[in-house]
Amino acid sequence: NAGVTQTPKFQVLKTGQSMTLQCAQDMNHEYMSWYRQDPGMGLRLIHYSVGAGITDQGEVPNGYNVSRSTTEDFPLRLLSAAPSQTSVYFCASSYSSTKRNEQFFGPGTRLTVL
Amino acid sequence: QQQVKQSPQSLIVQKGGISIINCAYENTAFDYFPWYQQFPGKGPALLIAIRPDVSEKKEGRFTISFNKSAKQFSLHIMDSQPGDSATYFCAASIEGAAGNKLTFGGGTRVLVKP
Repeated sequence: NAGVTQTPKFQVLKTGQSMTLQCAQDMNHEYMSWYRQDPGMGLRLIHYSVGAGITDQGEVPNGYNVSRSTTEDFPLRLLSAAPSQTSVYFCASSYSSTKRNEQFFGPGTRLTVL
Repeated sequence: QQQVKQSPQSLIVQKGGISIINCAYENTAFDYFPWYQQFPGKGPALLIAIRPDVSEKKEGRFTISFNKSAKQFSLHIMDSQPGDSATYFCAASIEGAAGNKLTFGGGTRVLVKP
């Protein structure tokens, strides 16, 4: 199993550009989520999904869109990048969306918006 | 407003010493408290977790202490080793709530000096 994979590893955008961060998991996990990590802020939940076709907002959803057409993939779209979106983005997945269980994190995407 | 507050932000400990990281939470509905370990350039990985019906959980050199009345929990790293140098995050979630959502503390960067 590859686990949770994310592409790209690094990305530089100009203000106003759009892009999609890719996330995939091969563990048949029900739950997938996106976090952003900023110094001193820990990880903050952006969006999450409890199954294919079902998504919901997390703590900091503004400026981001998600969709989940398959169990495996959960892309994160930045509609119009802003410098405030400079961050490290992590995708995570877990077997259950309701029971206490381990979340597996991808290696992250470091995004810089100029 | 951070629902999970973590301290200290960083600490330095000598090899063989004890590292102690503290977390406090606001929401009494939280019923699952995991700790994640993150090495530079990697995603977080589950280290150890506790439920509020247990006051202490130990796995190897890592121990979680939980004080439900004080709404606090802490991670103790005994006999700290240079390989333990990483960032540690406490987190909390509610079982059964829609989505396996984790609320993270701000993180503690631990440096173990040889």
